[in-house]
Amino acid sequence: GAGVSQSPSNKVTEKGKDVELRCDPISGHTALYWYRQSLGQGLEFLIYFQGNSAPDKSGLPSDRFSAERTGGSVSTLTIQRTQQEDSAVYLCASSLGERGPNYFGPGTRLTVT
Amino acid sequence: SQQGEEDPQALSIQEGENATMNCSYKTSINNLQWYRQNSGRGLVHLILIRSNEREKHSGRLRVTLDTSKKSSSLLITASRAADTASYFCATDSGSARQLTFGSGTQLTVLP
Repeated sequence: GAGVSQSPSNKVTEKGKDVELRCDPISGHTALYWYRQSLGQGLEFLIYFQGNSAPDKSGLPSDRFSAERTGGSVSTLTIQRTQQEDSAVYLCASSLGERGPNYFGPGTRLTVT
Repeated sequence: SQQGEEDPQALSIQEGENATMNCSYKTSINNLQWYRQNSGRGLVHLILIRSNEREKHSGRLRVTLDTSKKSSSLLITASRAADTASYFCATDSGSARQLTFGSGTQLTVLP
């Protein structure tokens, strides 16, 4: 079946603009994660959705970052008033449950100029 | 903070040789997973080892887990140029719902 998809694959934006990143998880996966990866670094957890439970937002770096998941499927990560330090690859992953392997999308490379 | 730390940070070997990467972590875990990443994009899940397992095999991959030392190793046997990638360990610590990733090992397999 189809894997996790993300759009856009690349996004260049000017400092101060808002951006929206989209993630389509694997059908039937109840858990959805957003991670951020800066150049040459490991993955930094941002936010986690599980079914209809309240999301775990503990990894969001500032109140400029928000995310929602509609209908338990598609998720959108929004970054308001982007800063240059927001430049990174944003990775979305889904899994069948809380303890299983994460299946990653190809990521969105965000560049803030 | 990062739970897992990989060692070495970079490894360069000849095709056909074995590659060993190590991961250390700090807190107790439910399971530990290894992922591969090509060209800084999406990660691919390789293998999952549970806390009550000591060794697991998948094709040319062999993973060991020593919970007393809080460490794991990934062995890739008979490496190929296509194995060139970054390899990350990730821990499911139970106290957090998300995986915690290490900083990765960059493996280069020379033809």
